[in-house]
Amino acid sequence: DTEVTQTPKHLVMGMTNKKSLKCEQHMGHRAMYWYKQKAKKPPELMFVYSYEKLSINESVPSRFSPECPNSSLLNLHLHALQPEDSALYLCASSQRTGFWEKLFFGSGTQLSVL
Amino acid sequence: KQEVTQIPAALSVPEGENLVLNCSFTDSAIYNLQWFRQDPGKGLTSLLLIQSSQREQTSGRLNASLDKSSGRSTLYIAASQPGDSATYLCAVRKSSGDKLTFGTGTRLAVRP
Repeated sequence: DTEVTQTPKHLVMGMTNKKSLKCEQHMGHRAMYWYKQKAKKPPELMFVYSYEKLSINESVPSRFSPECPNSSLLNLHLHALQPEDSALYLCASSQRTGFWEKLFFGSGTQLSVL
Repeated sequence: KQEVTQIPAALSVPEGENLVLNCSFTDSAIYNLQWFRQDPGKGLTSLLLIQSSQREQTSGRLNASLDKSSGRSTLYIAASQPGDSATYLCAVRKSSGDKLTFGTGTRLAVRP
């Protein structure tokens, strides 16, 4: 299994809603990442988890709350989002966070905030 | 701050043509460089990864080269096919920390 699976594929939410994005991999990778990508722009790093611990937070607003319950799962909890948060949210994993590691990406969750 | 630029931003070629995509980065102190393709509204698929000590990597019709001293990488696609149509992104990993910095991307269209 060489896949990173993200659910849901599409999500529409209001600014007062609470929702969660889920990411799962069974490749034994110990590093997992959340990226945000606006249309026609490159992905921007949000968070990095290494061995289930948050190692990088790229100054992301607190309305985005990551969680890594175990080595295979990564969640992104969303609360009180703004319309400008609408984007494609990508999860990725790698064996470790070493500089030589290749990243494997999921197909993303397309989020629309109304 | 590392900046990664890809030229051209968009490219349209007829099927069968060989083509080169360019990636430039401002800080040559990188550990590796990775090329990805992305189909519209989809995730990224890793194509090739070149370590800083390497000069090139090949996979099928794809060949990626790296010239660290000049801050450049190229992705060569041989005998292009309509299925190659996608956005191609290069990304470099910094000399310290874990961050992958992405380029601006090249949108490729291969016409049948």
